[in-house]
Amino acid sequence: DAKTTQPPSMDCAEGRAANLPCNHSTISGNEYVYWYRQIHSQGPQYIIHGLKNNETNEMASLIITEDRKSSTLILPHATLRDTAVYYCIVRYNFNKFYFGSGTKLNVKP
Amino acid sequence: EAQVTQNPRYLITVTGKKLTVTCSQNMNHEYMSWYRQDPGLGLRQIYYSMNVEVTDKGDVPEGYKVSRKEKRNFPLILESPSPNQTSLYFCASSSRDSGLRKLFFGSGTQLSVL
Repeated sequence: DAKTTQPPSMDCAEGRAANLPCNHSTISGNEYVYWYRQIHSQGPQYIIHGLKNNETNEMASLIITEDRKSSTLILPHATLRDTAVYYCIVRYNFNKFYFGSGTKLNVKP
Repeated sequence: EAQVTQNPRYLITVTGKKLTVTCSQNMNHEYMSWYRQDPGLGLRQIYYSMNVEVTDKGDVPEGYKVSRKEKRNFPLILESPSPNQTSLYFCASSSRDSGLRKLFFGSGTQLSVL
């Protein structure tokens, strides 16, 4: 089964870029990588997804390595409201999503 | 407003007393799914459904049942709850047209089984 590995926690200074890594070495060639975040115990919120190319939207950028075995979510200017658990997710067996334990990002003033 | 609605938000029950957690979405999504979240374990998929009358097991289906009689509703049923089912539960939905690329989550149901 496809799995993801993320560091359990990271700190980031307010206003600086937050770079959150994810290892997904078993991802299959046609599966996307998705990133979601969860603030407190609310439902996870979609951030971004990508297949091979780097992606950017109003929330973040996603950098995927050429071999697709890892990716990095970049929050360009982290704010205190970005403090959350960030999940790197892969889809497997057609309709299942693997969330893993996520990275707790602490944005500090 | 597009949303996934779960009820109840909080539920305390006793071992063996059947309960149902409801989930409804107003986006005409084909795909719906249930997750449980426990400390340190992230979200784990319980069941999912690709359309009406089509359901399948996720990674942790034991002790749970689901049904999909209508497109908008996907209730989670615990016929004989046990304390190890104490957890935070989330329902999610997505559109097949989008390739299931964006999941919409409900606000969660905190279940305590005594």
